[in-house]
Amino acid sequence: GDSVTQMEGPVTLSEEAFLTINCTYTATGYPSLFWYVQYPGEGLQLLLKATKADDKGSNKGFEATYRKETTSFHLEKGSVQVSDSAVYFCALSDQGGGADGLTFGKGTHLIIQP
Amino acid sequence: GAVVSQHPSRVICKSGTSVKIECRSLDFQATTMFWYRQFPKQSLMLMATSNEGSKATYEQGVEKDKFLINHASLTLSTLTVTSAHPEDSSFYICSARGRQGGKKEQFFGPGTRLTVL
Repeated sequence: GDSVTQMEGPVTLSEEAFLTINCTYTATGYPSLFWYVQYPGEGLQLLLKATKADDKGSNKGFEATYRKETTSFHLEKGSVQVSDSAVYFCALSDQGGGADGLTFGKGTHLIIQP
Repeated sequence: GAVVSQHPSRVICKSGTSVKIECRSLDFQATTMFWYRQFPKQSLMLMATSNEGSKATYEQGVEKDKFLINHASLTLSTLTVTSAHPEDSSFYICSARGRQGGKKEQFFGPGTRLTVL
């Protein structure tokens, strides 16, 4: 079955540091890939997505590139802020676009210190 | 953006009782709603998918008689945990997908923390 593996947290960084959160996946089909963010006390929000190989999703300074050859979708940001502190989930959908339920990674808790 | 609410946000109940959790799409019509369960430090696990007006589709290993799902309208789905036991204690999250083509992504509710004593 489908699965998503992402790096364990918590990840603690100083403000303005470079961020990478690794995510790899296994899927039977040709999935769409997503990063969701969950701020304290709030629901999951879509951060970015990519639907085909070599696509780059980007939003709020975050980027992730769909790498089919390495089955990866690593999340990066060049300069993090305290407000980026949250839990980040990598996810995939085999039906592309969210038609079916999503398969999630365990989440990575990111803590940015001033 | 699209907003999904859940009620209650927290519930504590005694073992053997039933608990109903509501999921509402506040500003769009949700043809499909999903129910997830999240254990501490674990990923969200899809429990079931419900389409408005039809029976829910449950994932393997999820007891349909234990977790009753109703999606009677385009803005409301309910999850009822029947005869709850301590092992049912978890964080339950719903998401909703709209009917218009532009709303293909899932929008998530804030979750409901269930504690069964």
